[in-house]
Amino acid sequence: QVQLVESGGGVVQPGRSLRLSCAASGFTFSMHAIHWVRQAPGKGLDWVAVISHDGNSQNYADSVKGRFTISRDNSKNTVYLQMNSLRDEDTAVYYCGRDLVHSNIFYYMDVWGKGTTVTVSS
Amino acid sequence: IQLTQSPSSLSASVGDRVTITCRASQGISSYLAWYQQKPGRAPQLLIYAASTLQSGVPSRFSGGGAGTDFTLTISSLQPEDFATYYCQQINSYPPTFGGGTKVEV
Repeated sequence: QVQLVESGGGVVQPGRSLRLSCAASGFTFSMHAIHWVRQAPGKGLDWVAVISHDGNSQNYADSVKGRFTISRDNSKNTVYLQMNSLRDEDTAVYYCGRDLVHSNIFYYMDVWGKGTTVTVSS
Repeated sequence: IQLTQSPSSLSASVGDRVTITCRASQGISSYLAWYQQKPGRAPQLLIYAASTLQSGVPSRFSGGGAGTDFTLTISSLQPEDFATYYCQQINSYPPTFGGGTKVEV
């Protein structure tokens, strides 16, 4: 079935790095943009970044620009989120989500993973 | 663009008609989606383009509105509908979400 599975979360000290992965299955991965959305404990949803279906375009929220990098490997059906210079306020559950449309970025997300938890704490 | 949802929470019973409102700080045409999230679960897309029902979503969910004012209506609340609902705009970058509306028993 159509599925996204996140991994790579954990506890990390402020200023350190972490890389999240989002593995896809059950659909033509190379046709869809993939987003990262996060949710701090007890809070709402916060869009983080998106990468186009072919990897040629990336966009970021201002809060993570210059610190986070999104990338993808279509041969492995996987998207990555490299998170550097982590801050306390990056603590959240990180979800990856599939863009609704093919071969474009529309920002509606129709398939979501179950999330991976990132805790930034000294 | 800021999205303000009201109410922030509501109490309802099975069978009730429930309406949630989302107001945008500026016009967003019909570029609005609604998501449902249950505790400990990922969000689920219910409606996009303000009123288009996502495949597989029950027809008791409906969306309306355009410009700055939008609604999500559940025509007859079912036990599995108790959850938090978020609106999202994609008209202007970056995409933003409303603060959520928790529907409780």
